[in-house]
Amino acid sequence: AQKITQTQPGMFVQEKEAVTLDCTYDTSDPSYGLFWYKQPSSGEMIFLIYQGSYDQQNATEGRYSLNFQKARKSANLVISASQLGDSAMYFCAMRENTGRRALTFGSGTRLQVQP
Amino acid sequence: KAGVTQTPRYLIKTRGQQVTLSCSPISGHRSVSWYQQTPGQGLQFLFEYFSETQRNKGNFPGRFSGRQFSNSRSEMNVSTLELGDSALYLCASSLVSQGAQDTQYFGPGTRLTVL
Repeated sequence: AQKITQTQPGMFVQEKEAVTLDCTYDTSDPSYGLFWYKQPSSGEMIFLIYQGSYDQQNATEGRYSLNFQKARKSANLVISASQLGDSAMYFCAMRENTGRRALTFGSGTRLQVQP
Repeated sequence: KAGVTQTPRYLIKTRGQQVTLSCSPISGHRSVSWYQQTPGQGLQFLFEYFSETQRNKGNFPGRFSGRQFSNSRSEMNVSTLELGDSALYLCASSLVSQGAQDTQYFGPGTRLTVL
């Protein structure tokens, strides 16, 4: 069964610094997708970035990049130049290509950006 | 393009009642998924609909049901509400219902409180 682990319940970072949020996953399916979402206190889940299991390069989207290490089954999110508005919960999620299409989410990391 | 919309945003019910939540997907999206988010259990998949058919279902009791209309709008219903049903219910839409890379975009959620 697929599983997502986020070991950092909370993180602090200074404004303008970079921060890495950890995510490890477990799956026996060779084809899968990894997603990161941001959830502000308002509750809406905002899609940030996607990485496919067969993608050769790490995904990047503006200030977000994904450090994908397939052999280690890790997909860490890197946020560069943190801003106060980045303070939120961050969820790593995975979907396998076969079987059920549901996203499996990790427990999340609460990021607080300090001025 | 308008995002996923959910109504109502907040709802207060008492035990034993039933409730219907509504979700309108992004225009052109045909797949709608529902998730329940609680502090204790995190984000859990309820079900997915595509072309008015339930494609996948999570491990929830039969009190939780849903449907999808021909315009892709979806509703979920919870009958005989229990205190444990208090949660944020998130709806997500995506273009199709295949492949690991099909990104799900979430709505703002409906916060249900059961008294």
